[in-house]
Amino acid sequence: DVKVTQSSRYLVKRTGEKVFLECVQDMDHENMFWYRQDPGLGLRLIYFSYDVKMKEKGDIPEGYSVSREKKERFSLILESASTNQTSMYLCASSSWGGYGYTFGSGTRLTVV
Amino acid sequence: KQEVTQIPAALSVPEGENLVLNCSFTDSAIYNLQWFRQDPGKGLTSLLLIQSSQREQTSGRLNASLDKSSGRSTLYIAASQPGDSATYLCAVPSVGGYQKVTFGTGTKLQVIP
Repeated sequence: DVKVTQSSRYLVKRTGEKVFLECVQDMDHENMFWYRQDPGLGLRLIYFSYDVKMKEKGDIPEGYSVSREKKERFSLILESASTNQTSMYLCASSSWGGYGYTFGSGTRLTVV
Repeated sequence: KQEVTQIPAALSVPEGENLVLNCSFTDSAIYNLQWFRQDPGKGLTSLLLIQSSQREQTSGRLNASLDKSSGRSTLYIAASQPGDSATYLCAVPSVGGYQKVTFGTGTKLQVIP
């Protein structure tokens, strides 16, 4: 069964901490995405990557960075966590050819 | 910019009913359209993917149709069950890049036993 795996389901971090959210896919997909989901705001794209070491800003990149050193792994980094980054974070992947997205199970991050 | 609207925002039906969820999009030049379900606190699970050349896709009790010219897709759920209770989202490729998608805000479905 093909998968997108997010390393943590729940995380609690303190304000100012550096936070790493990890995502791994086993489908050899070229494209990977990070979204955050908040009530009333829907899914918003933070960053995406269409190849190793390539990244593109999404709609809300401020306060975040990403890393893609290997094709299967895409990391989201909160350089200095703030309370307004408390959210559900969702990773997704897709291949070229328009075969749709596959999502991970999400990470609920709380910044206190 | 692609805009995606889902109506209704919430729906409550008794078990056994057939129901239709709607998804409208503003730019009809799309490659595909994908329907997802999301359970509370979980990720998105893909239900159906319709390519632009297709009119509909079926999986079990689910049937999704696509009318590009009118900018609409419908998800039909037959004989609804309490386990169908979830939020349903449609996703449409963004204009200018089919690997980026725009999501609707979803329809929250409750099926009452």
